Amino acid sequence: EEQLLESGGGLVQPGGSLGLSCAASGFTFSSCAMGWVRQAPGRGLEWISALSYSGYSTYYADSVKGRFTISRDNSRSTLYLQMNSLRADDTAVYYCAKVPGADASSPDWYFDLWGRGTLVTVSS
Amino acid sequence: DIVMTQSPDSLALSLGERATINCKSSQSVFSSSYNKNYLAWYQQKPGQPPKLLIYWASTRGSGVPDRFSGSGSGADFTLTISNLQAEDVAVYYCQHYLRTPHTFGQGTKLEIK
Repeated sequence: EEQLLESGGGLVQPGGSLGLSCAASGFTFSSCAMGWVRQAPGRGLEWISALSYSGYSTYYADSVKGRFTISRDNSRSTLYLQMNSLRADDTAVYYCAKVPGADASSPDWYFDLWGRGTLVTVSS
Repeated sequence: DIVMTQSPDSLALSLGERATINCKSSQSVFSSSYNKNYLAWYQQKPGQPPKLLIYWASTRGSGVPDRFSGSGSGADFTLTISNLQAEDVAVYYCQHYLRTPHTFGQGTKLEIK
């Protein structure tokens, strides 16, 4: 069974840092692009970042560019999101999600599998 | 960035009725390279992560009942849910994936009367 499991969420002070992980299983992780989507409490979905199957191509929303870094370790089937300079408006549930396509040469960049999410709270 | 706007924000219907949710993009999300519309629909039930319903504007995801259908092209799209069931109570989102950022619509909340 295909599965994604996020971890690493928690409470962090404004200006602090936090790293999220997403462990994948049940599919060939190294063949798929991956992404992160967040959802603030009571709000809608916000696409924040994605990267190609190799990790060489990365993409960010303006709201996180320069503060967040997406990466992957294909040998561990794990996706990461390093979050720095956190602000109160970064408070959200962070979902990792699988993309059927591999890289920019493939058009299939919708999300066909989602994890259950991990909550990040930025507060003093 | 491409802005996705859904309508209505919420709707309440009776069991067995048909639900229609609209999604409009600020620019066309059709690509002639693949002759496809880069538009997906997701369903998010309370307390759960989103689930893929429709991709390429009209292709149902794995295991999605045929009561769910997607249509439209260019910048105007529709998600139709026929024969509404109690388990369809959820928030529905459209998303484009033509180019980054792959923005979502604000969501449409579907309730049963």
